[in-house]
Amino acid sequence: EPEVTQTPSHQVTQMGQEVILRCVPISNHLYFYWYRQILGQKVEFLVSFYNNEISEKSEIFDDQFSVERPDGSNFTLKIRSTKLEDSAMYFCASSEVGQRTGELFFGEGSRLTVL
Amino acid sequence: QKEVEQDPGPLSVPEGAIVSLNCTYSNSAFQYFMWYRQYSRKGPELLMYTYSSGNKEDGRFTAQVDKSSKYISLFIRDSQPSDSATYLCAMLNSGGYQKVTFGTGTKLQVIP
Repeated sequence: EPEVTQTPSHQVTQMGQEVILRCVPISNHLYFYWYRQILGQKVEFLVSFYNNEISEKSEIFDDQFSVERPDGSNFTLKIRSTKLEDSAMYFCASSEVGQRTGELFFGEGSRLTVL
Repeated sequence: QKEVEQDPGPLSVPEGAIVSLNCTYSNSAFQYFMWYRQYSRKGPELLMYTYSSGNKEDGRFTAQVDKSSKYISLFIRDSQPSDSATYLCAMLNSGGYQKVTFGTGTKLQVIP
């Protein structure tokens, strides 16, 4: 069964360092997303991406964050200068026909710990 | 008032019980309603999806939406220990179709 894969599964970094989280969405999907979940809190929308550009972003997704689809398969989230409060589980998701139906397929997540 | 409210639990039931999970919401623009299941340290997995008001059944799972009360429910019949997980309600409005809003999740434990 096709799945969304994410790397790394866990990354520990020092405050102020740059981090890149990587995702391989399901191959025939056209819409890509990043969500995050701070420990004990709800899953929060960060950004959606379609046709090589951001289609929507939340207030969390400030100038420290960027997304890129560098080739035909990978989708990355970069955090330029990490803060302690960026510690969370980051989930990549993809969908086939747009998020209208809410049928997102999530990866297993990348746990980011900022020290 | 939070946009989506969900009792975090935990909810503990014996195997075979009927489980009722609920969410309330305040945004009347929500049109699509989903339930996701999340096992510990895993990504959410879509269980049920309904559009507007009504019921939908899939095996042991039934999703209900009452838009007049801004209330959605998920019922699990004949609950199994493998149903132990966190259940997230999620909602989407017809205009902002890119952004799913999640509840905080209810942690369910089914005791054998």
